[in-house]
Amino acid sequence: DAGVIQSPRHEVTEMGQEVTLRCKPISGHDYLFWYRQTMMRGLELLIYFNNNVPIDDSGMPEDRFSAKMPNASFSTLKIQPSEPRDSAVYFCASSFLTNTGELFFGEGSRLTVL
Amino acid sequence: DAKTTQPPSMDCAEGRAANLPCNHSTISGNEYVYWYRQIHSQGPQYIIHGLKNNETNEMASLIITEDRKSSTLILPHATLRDTAVYYCIVRAAHRDDKIIFGKGTRLHILP
Repeated sequence: DAGVIQSPRHEVTEMGQEVTLRCKPISGHDYLFWYRQTMMRGLELLIYFNNNVPIDDSGMPEDRFSAKMPNASFSTLKIQPSEPRDSAVYFCASSFLTNTGELFFGEGSRLTVL
Repeated sequence: DAKTTQPPSMDCAEGRAANLPCNHSTISGNEYVYWYRQIHSQGPQYIIHGLKNNETNEMASLIITEDRKSSTLILPHATLRDTAVYYCIVRAAHRDDKIIFGKGTRLHILP
């Protein structure tokens, strides 16, 4: 399996622009998580899905952030409009909660908002 | 908030055992202890997990105290490639559970 695939790996944009980050989870996994990582705040859980349904979005910072999972093999995290404080590495992770329940992370999308 | 407490950083000489502590004094009976590590600029990687008994795999050993309020991750023969941030997490056995990462321990392996 190719693992969790995220795109783009790097994104540089200007304040006010819309940003869309994409994630393809590992086939067969039923949980998908979006995390954001910054030096100041560490690794923060933004939202997670089970079987394509959002379960907890309490970590989404504000209405500018939205996430969707239209099918089992694809999820997006959108920021509109983007702000400089959104600059971070965004990680997607997937999991199949068998007796191990480990998370498999993608390589992240590094976002810079100027 | 994270339910665990870890030292912010540790040093270990290459070839020696690295022992990383974690306190989880409020752990519930159905919560597992998981360890992940994050090598610079990569996504976190699963290492090991346990409930009550000590566990060992090809990467590490996990020692959980009898009262389950703390645990230690042991890397038996640390190498430079083990330099990373190590996260200890507790999470319940039921399916819908938020997985919260704390600040972790930054482990420096010294040549």
